[in-house]
This record gives sequence, structure tokens and C-alpha cells, in this order.
Amino acid sequence: DTEVTQTPKHLVMGMTNKKSLKCEQHMGHRAMYWYKQKAKKPPELMFVYSYEKLSINESVPSRFSPECPNSSLLNLHLHALQPEDSALYLCASSQDSGRETQYFGPGTRLLVL
Amino acid sequence: QKEVEQDPGPLSVPEGAIVSLNCTYSNSAFQYFMWYRQYSRKGPELLMYTYSSGNKEDGRFTAQVDKSSKYISLFIRDSQPSDSATYLCAMRGSGGSNYKLTFGKGTLLTVNP
Repeated sequence: DTEVTQTPKHLVMGMTNKKSLKCEQHMGHRAMYWYKQKAKKPPELMFVYSYEKLSINESVPSRFSPECPNSSLLNLHLHALQPEDSALYLCASSQDSGRETQYFGPGTRLLVL
Repeated sequence: QKEVEQDPGPLSVPEGAIVSLNCTYSNSAFQYFMWYRQYSRKGPELLMYTYSSGNKEDGRFTAQVDKSSKYISLFIRDSQPSDSATYLCAMRGSGGSNYKLTFGKGTLLTVNP
């Protein structure tokens, strides 16, 4: 089973709202990633968690706050977003951050009004 | 020169055609090469994964890597309308610090019945 699940599928939020995106995998992978994808563009890496610790932050604004409660779960907390943050947010996982390839979830389509 | 170049298309072929998708790259440190298929408004799905040079076949799909030319290809035989999607090439180096996938821009493929 190479499934990564994400909830919700769609999210609409105002600029003053606080919301969270959730990601889950049960493949025993120890690296998990958040990506942002705008229309007709490839995914852009935001964060990397390795063994439940944040190892990479690709200079992402602080209005995005990742959290890894355990080895199977990854959250992305959203606060005071801007309309330009509207995008498809993808979670991915891999065996670890240095090996194998990444398996992506279906994404959460976020619209910021 | 961008690290990974991929013709965005669009590419339109009749059902049953052989499709050839290609990427070139400039970073000789890349060791792992992947092809992802992404349907509209969905997450990328891993199709093929190759380490270093060589060919790999899986059903109707064949991936080729020529590291001497820094060129990778994905061939789709007997293409079907269900193959209509955006195809993203991705690649990375080896080792724990080489976590980051570098994507091509993606090629939009339409297979016409």
C-alpha cells in the first residue's frame, strides 16, 4: 500500500481564519513533506520532516506552521493567509529523506478569500 | 540554464499511438529519476522510478535514463484516453542531504479516442 491521505480535500478560508491541513501515511515512512503547487506549475517544496523533526524549511512565511505529532501524521497550520496562498497543498512521504522516492497524497485545494 | 528542462507541450496524440516524453538536466549529481502522472486537480502519482542509467519497463510504460547525455525519457505504448494527464519528470541526488526533488515543468498529454 503506497497511500498518503490528506484532509480536507477542499478548503475555503478568509484571511483572518485559522485552519489546519492534515496528512497521514501508514507505510512506515520516516520522512514527510509539504509542497505547494500553483496551477500549471510543478510542486514547490515547503517543509521536510525527518524522523518527526523539522529538518528543512524552504524559507516559508511564518503564517504556515508545520507540525509532526507522530511518525504517521503531518499537519500544516494556516493563519492570516493571503489570497496568493491559494493553491494545491500536497503532502508526500518517503522511506527516509535520503533514499527512495516520494509518494504524494491527493492534495488539499485551498482558496483564500 | 534551468536544472531540468521539459517541454510543456501540449501534446495531442490519437489513441494507440506511442508517446515519447523527455527531460534534459544539467546537474551531474542527479542519481534518482522519476516520472509522475498528475491528473487535473489531483496529486502526482508515481509511475516510474529509476536509479542511475538504464531502462525500466512496467506494462505499457518504459523509462530510459542516459546519464552521459543527461537525458531521460518516458515511453507510453498503446496510449489510452485515460493516459491524458500532465507528466512530470523529477530527479534528485543521493545521500541524506539530497532530499529535494527537482521537477520539470510537466508535459500536458491528451490522448484522443
